[in-house]
Order: sequence, then structure tokens, then C-alpha cells
Amino acid sequence: GAGVSQSPSNKVTEKGKDVELRCDPISGHTALYWYRQSLGQGLEFLIYFQGNSAPDKSGLPSDRFSAERTGGSVSTLTIQRTQQEDSAVYLCASSSPRKTGDYEQYFGPGTRLTVT
Amino acid sequence: AQSVTQLGSHVSVSEGALVLLRCNYSSSVPPYLFWYVQYPNQGLQLLLKYTSAATLVKGINGFEAEFKKSETSFHLTKPSAHMSDAAEYFCAVSVRDTGNQFYFGTGTSLTVIP
Repeated sequence: GAGVSQSPSNKVTEKGKDVELRCDPISGHTALYWYRQSLGQGLEFLIYFQGNSAPDKSGLPSDRFSAERTGGSVSTLTIQRTQQEDSAVYLCASSSPRKTGDYEQYFGPGTRLTVT
Repeated sequence: AQSVTQLGSHVSVSEGALVLLRCNYSSSVPPYLFWYVQYPNQGLQLLLKYTSAATLVKGINGFEAEFKKSETSFHLTKPSAHMSDAAEYFCAVSVRDTGNQFYFGTGTSLTVIP
């Protein structure tokens, strides 16, 4: 079946512009996660959606970052007034912890964001 | 609180040698533990997972890991390294009573020397 998809795969933007990154999770997965991976660094948790519960936004680095998940499926991560330090690969993952006991996260290929 | 520590951000082994990547976790309740691999310019791929069944877990590409509760460890091993094993490896812990939140280690970059 189809895996997690993300678009665009690459995004180059000018400092100060807003960007939107999209994630399509695996169909039926109730949990969706966003991470940021800076060059040579590990994964930095950003935000987590689980079903209809309020999202866990504890990892968002500033109020310039926000995310939505519409209809329990597609998610959009928005970065306003981008800064050069926002340059990174943004990874999305989904999982279905309450469905089959299958707890692992399935990752998309990521969106590489470059802020010039 | 849960956390993961990966000892050694860079590990180099010779082709054919044993691979050992270390992971220690901190969790107040029984955890689920995972190892992911990331090849250059790709997303993360699950290598193996521990979800409270057998403590010795076998994964893809000949990797295995052993859950040792007394040592709070989940080290990843492979008897004989291949050139294709060169990648970034991430250990992660998840605990269901935190809503299945995941906590990743900072990663270990594995280099295989021919």
C-alpha cells in the first residue's frame, strides 16, 4: 500500500516568506508526527496529532510554527516569516497505535527546506 | 520522563567486523523500543522493534537488538558489517501512557571501512 508522502520534496524560499509543507499519512493511521532534522543532527520533535485529541505542540520552536490536521488525515506545517535557521529537512511520520498493536512510526521522505 | 541516549555519534568498523551501536533509555514504565536506519538523502526506515515480547529482537539486514531491563539498554548489533550498512542509526523509545509519543536519540553515524 501507499506509504507516507510529503510535498514538496524540496523548497527554497527567501528569508521572511511563509511556507507550507504537506504530509499525507498512511490511510487509517490515527497518529501523525512532525520532526525537524537539521544538517548532521538528530530528530527534533515538533508536533503530534492523535485522533481527535488536542495536538501536542510542545516541540514547536516558536510561534512562527503552526500545524493543522484536517479531517484526521492530511497535515500542513506552516512556517511564517522564515529565518535561515529554519533550513532543515522536515519529516512527517504516522502510526496506528490502537489498531493492530503495530506501534512503529512510518516516515515520509521529508521536505528539504532551504531559506536564503 | 522518557529519554534516549546513544553513545558515540560516529562509529567506524571494518567490513566483516562486528557492529555494535549503543542505546540506553530512561523510562518510568515499560517502554517500547525501536531502531531506525536512515540512508543518505532518504527518510527513516524501521530496522526492528521491541514491544514486550521476546527480549532478543531480530530485524532486517541481519541486525538484532537485545532488551536488557536491568541495564536499561537496547544495543544494536550485527555480526558482520557490509559496506551497504553505512548509514545513520536512530534509537527511539515510546510509552503508551504518554499517548504514544516517541523520543529519539541523537543518532549514530556508521562508517564501514573496506
